[in-house]
Amino acid sequence: TQLLEQSPQFLSIQEGENLTVYCNSSSVFSSLQWYRQEPGEGPVLLVTVVTGGEVKKLKRLTFQFGDARKDSSLHITAAQPGDTGLYLCAGRRESGGSNYKLTFGKGTLLTVNP
Amino acid sequence: GAVVSQHPSRVICKSGTSVKIECRSLDFQATTMFWYRQFPKKSLMLMATSNEGSKATYEQGVEKDKFLINHASLTLSTLTVTSAHPEDSSFYICSARATGTVYGYTFGSGTRLTVV
Repeated sequence: TQLLEQSPQFLSIQEGENLTVYCNSSSVFSSLQWYRQEPGEGPVLLVTVVTGGEVKKLKRLTFQFGDARKDSSLHITAAQPGDTGLYLCAGRRESGGSNYKLTFGKGTLLTVNP
Repeated sequence: GAVVSQHPSRVICKSGTSVKIECRSLDFQATTMFWYRQFPKKSLMLMATSNEGSKATYEQGVEKDKFLINHASLTLSTLTVTSAHPEDSSFYICSARATGTVYGYTFGSGTRLTVV
């Protein structure tokens, strides 16, 4: 059973289009993070959200944390080829214990075509 | 910002040999480090959590005798793949959580292991 359901798994769009990636769970998370990863590299942190209902913006990227802290979304406006990559959501469960381990979604492989 | 150095970035080894991968936090202390395995175009799969000075906690299905983890200091954790087989070929990534932080996870750049 996947604790964090991330969708879609694959997305291929044209430059200039908008897109939204979703991360859903039945569990409550004390925090949720979004990462972007390029081939052969480690994930790079984009944002951390911790408060229910929180919205954060990073240039053309908008991140939202659900009111109940069980879901999150990433919206990209006017996608560019440089946005191509694997987007990962990862959360720390409220009952995660003292090790603070992250639970990852399956990832969304985004391709933005010029 | 926080930097985690992972070495080597690529390694090719013969079947039956052992390979050690190092993960160092360069400018911060990391009480906890995590080791992940990643298959092509897939997400990260947590293998184990290591705490400085204590035994690693392995996830279900991960063989502790095959994937030896040592976290001897607050800046260094190592993963040794023992008696490697071709099915162990994968991308291995470490991450470190800075001591005293809740959200401060930093990832290494990964190690591509190929067992021939």
